[in-house]
Amino acid sequence: KAGVTQTPRYLIKTRGQQVTLSCSPISGHRSVSWYQQTPGQGLQFLFEYFSETQRNKGNFPGRFSGRQFSNSRSEMNVSTLELGDSALYLCASSLVLGGGETQYFGPGTRLLVL
Amino acid sequence: ELKVEQNPLFLSMQEGKNYTIYCNYSTTSDRLYWYRQDPGKSLESLFVLLSNGAVKQEGRLMASLDTKARLSTLHITAAVHDLSATYFCAVDIKRRSQGNLIFGKGTKLSVKP
Repeated sequence: KAGVTQTPRYLIKTRGQQVTLSCSPISGHRSVSWYQQTPGQGLQFLFEYFSETQRNKGNFPGRFSGRQFSNSRSEMNVSTLELGDSALYLCASSLVLGGGETQYFGPGTRLLVL
Repeated sequence: ELKVEQNPLFLSMQEGKNYTIYCNYSTTSDRLYWYRQDPGKSLESLFVLLSNGAVKQEGRLMASLDTKARLSTLHITAAVHDLSATYFCAVDIKRRSQGNLIFGKGTKLSVKP
C-alpha cells in the first residue's frame, strides 16, 4: 500500500509570494491533517479535513488555508509569505476522524522563504 | 489549553544503557502516540496507547500510559546506535468529531559507542 505522498518536496519562495502544497493520503483514508514543523516552535497543528470539510483548525493566521477534494487529496495554501513561514510542512492521514487511529505522516514539503 | 511536556529534551546515552523519556500532558486524554523522527525525515509511528495502563513493546522500546497521572513513558533498554533519533510524544485531543495531535518538543537521543 502506498504511503502518504506530498509534492513538491522542496520549495524556495520569496516574501510576499504565495504557495500551494499538495498531499495525497493513503488509499481509503478520509482524514487529512497538516502540521508545521520549525526548530523554534516544534510541531504545530494547522488544520484537519474530513470528507471535504475542515473539522478543526489550529492557531494560525488566515494566510494559511486548505481544502480537501472528493478523492481525499488535500492542498494547503499560504498567501503573502513571510520569512517565518520557512518550515517543514507535514501532512498526515488516518482512516477516520478522532477515532484514535494512527496518523501516518508523509515525507513533508520543506519550504524556504527568502 | 493542552500542553505536552517531554523530558529530557536532549539525551546522550552510551550503548548498552537503559533510560526513560517522560511525557506529561495537562488535560484529559486517553490517546497518546509516540513517533520517531530521523534527521531530515518525516515522522514514523512507534506506538499508539489507547487506554489507562496500556503497555506496548517493540524491540528495545517500551511505552506505557497512565491516564490518571497524565503521564506516558518511553523506556529504552540496552540502547544501540540505531536508536539515535528524535522521539516525540503526542496527545490526541479528546473531542467528538475532531482529531488532531498536540506534540511535545521532542527528545533528541544520541547513543554513543
